[in-house]
Amino acid sequence: KAGVTQTPRYLIKTRGQQVTLSCSPISGHRSVSWYQQTPGQGLQFLFEYFSETQRNKGNFPGRFSGRQFSNSRSEMNVSTLELGDSALYLCASSYASGAGTDTQYFGPGTRLTVL
Amino acid sequence: AQSVAQPEDQVNVAEGNPLTVKCTYSVSGNPYLFWYVQYPNRGLQFLLKYITGDNLVKGSYGFEAEFNKSQTSFHLKKPSALVSDSALYFCAVRDIDESSGTYKYIFGTGTRLKVLA
Repeated sequence: KAGVTQTPRYLIKTRGQQVTLSCSPISGHRSVSWYQQTPGQGLQFLFEYFSETQRNKGNFPGRFSGRQFSNSRSEMNVSTLELGDSALYLCASSYASGAGTDTQYFGPGTRLTVL
Repeated sequence: AQSVAQPEDQVNVAEGNPLTVKCTYSVSGNPYLFWYVQYPNRGLQFLLKYITGDNLVKGSYGFEAEFNKSQTSFHLKKPSALVSDSALYFCAVRDIDESSGTYKYIFGTGTRLKVLA
């Protein structure tokens, strides 16, 4: 079974631009979560989508948004990029949302650099 | 709110020696605990989880973790370290939002394991 895929793997943008990242979950998984990983802050939860609905959200500004499609693929958008948005963005999929026993499987991440 | 702490930024161990990566947690209710490993330029890989049952949980790549309720710890262990085990290790706990009933995962800050040949 194919794992979680994320595209693109690397991205360079300038301040003020916007960016869209894509995540394809493991086949059959309906929950997709997004995380931001930085050396200083570690892994920070952004949001989770399940069946095209945002189920949970972390403490990030409204510039960070996402959506999920009917095939469970998810996109994350960051508008008006700031230097501090430079990070590794990780996507994780799991079978069900809200099931704390469910295991999350992570993609390789998208490395975003904001200049 | 739930939280996890990984008190060591880095752990060095000689190849062939046993290794321990520490994690302590703070939860209300029953803890759901996880360990993940991250290799350079890769995403996180699931190692093991504790939900209920035996306090000793066995996972991937020969790793195991011991759940200790009295010490609120969930340390990751391996009897004999390999150089290839060198990576960044994350402990995580499930956090529940009581008002909405939704879940999210809280990750520790990570511990870098370096296995020396």
